[in-house]
Amino acid sequence: NAGVTQTPKFRVLKTGQSMTLLCAQDMNHEYMYWYRQDPGMGLRLIHYSVGEGTTAKGEVPDGYNVSRLKKQNFLLGLESAAPSQTSVYFCASTTAGVYNEQFFGPGTRLTVL
Amino acid sequence: AQRVTQPEKLLSVFKGAPVELKCNYSYSGSPELFWYVQYSRQRLQLLLRHISRESIKGFTADLNKGETSFHLKKPFAQEEDSAMYYCALIKRSNDYKLSFGAGTTVTVRA
Repeated sequence: NAGVTQTPKFRVLKTGQSMTLLCAQDMNHEYMYWYRQDPGMGLRLIHYSVGEGTTAKGEVPDGYNVSRLKKQNFLLGLESAAPSQTSVYFCASTTAGVYNEQFFGPGTRLTVL
Repeated sequence: AQRVTQPEKLLSVFKGAPVELKCNYSYSGSPELFWYVQYSRQRLQLLLRHISRESIKGFTADLNKGETSFHLKKPFAQEEDSAMYYCALIKRSNDYKLSFGAGTTVTVRA
C-alpha cells in the first residue's frame, strides 16, 4: 500500500496563478484533511471531508477550494495564488473513531512569488 | 474553541539527558490528546495517544486534567529523537478534526 500520496512534491507559482494539489489514499478512509504548515504556527486545517461528495471549511479556508468526487482523492485548489499561501501543504486521512491515527502524506512545498 | 499551546519552539538537550516537551490545552469538554512526530525528511506520524497509556520509543505522556497539560517525557534522550514534535487535541465530534500546537523542534546533541 502506498498510503497517502501527494502530487506535486514542489511547485513555484507566480502571484495570481492557479493550481491544484492532489491527495490520494488507498486505505479506504472516509475522512480526509488538508493542512498547511508554517513556522511557529504548527499545522492549521484548511478544509476537510467526512466522505465522498462532502467538504467543509476548516480553520483557514480563505483562498482555497476543495473537491472530493472520489473517496480516495481529495483535491485542494488555489484559484489565484498569493504570497501568503507560500507554505508546506499536508494531506491526511483516517477512519471513524476518536482514537484513530491520522495518516499523513509527504507534503507539497509551494512557493508563491 | 479548543486550543493547544506548546510554549517551547526549540529544545536542545545532550544525549542521555532527560527531555520534557510541554503541552497545555484548553477545551471545555473531555479531550483526547496525541503526540505526533516529524523526523527529518519523513512524514508526520503518530507517536503516542493518551488513551493507550503506552511508552513508545521510551516516551511517555501523562494527561493532567487539573493542569490541562499533556507533557511528553523521555528519561534518556537519543540522537535519533531529534525531530519536530506536535501536540494535538481531538474533540469528541463526528469529524475527527485535530487541533495542533505550534510544535517543538528537539535537537539532541552528542
